Amino acid sequence: DAKTTQPTSMDCAEGRAANLPCNHSTISGNEYVYWYRQIHSQGPQYIIHGLKNNETNEMASLIITEDRKSSTLILPHATLRDTAVYYCIVRPTGGGNKLTFGTGTQLKVEL
Amino acid sequence: DAGVIQSPRHEVTEMGQEVTLRCKPISGHNSLFWYRQTMMRGLELLIYFNNNVPIDDSGMPEDRFSAKMPNASFSTLKIQPSEPRDSAVYFCASAVFGSNQPQHFGDGTRLSIL
Repeated sequence: DAKTTQPTSMDCAEGRAANLPCNHSTISGNEYVYWYRQIHSQGPQYIIHGLKNNETNEMASLIITEDRKSSTLILPHATLRDTAVYYCIVRPTGGGNKLTFGTGTQLKVEL
Repeated sequence: DAGVIQSPRHEVTEMGQEVTLRCKPISGHNSLFWYRQTMMRGLELLIYFNNNVPIDDSGMPEDRFSAKMPNASFSTLKIQPSEPRDSAVYFCASAVFGSNQPQHFGDGTRLSIL
């Protein structure tokens, strides 16, 4: 599975957009990009995933570069409750495959 | 819809005791995953099942750990005998095999071995 690189930590002001980058330069053509977050002491929460097109749902937007070597998760209006560790994971297509979690990005949303 | 259900939420026991963690996956999901999270090692996969069959148990730390999935709606992770270094949060997740839909996680079991 492709490896991902994320910044260790980021800060964001409440109400502003939070843009979380992820580098996955060795991604293969059949690998999806998944984003999860983990709020302290809770189970990881699925946010969004994509293959090559940009995706948007009620939680966030996912922007994948044309060469697919990097992506950005966008939380359009961050709130204090978005403070969490955000994980970017690449996974081959097809269900039943395991997720390999890295260390993620600790996002701190402040007033 | 009910999510992944884990029990107990918290477990405190003395070393040497047997510990059994339980998981009920989301109805209709046929892949089940057990993870362990510690400060030192982060979130790591222990074992996963597809259609009740163990597929990859390479993450199971040692023979003291065992996992079973007797049917599609229930799985157990057992530690016997338990040791203080097994203290961690254990998560269960489920997904639809053959789909690109995501895994969904339970709230975890916080295990403390004294």
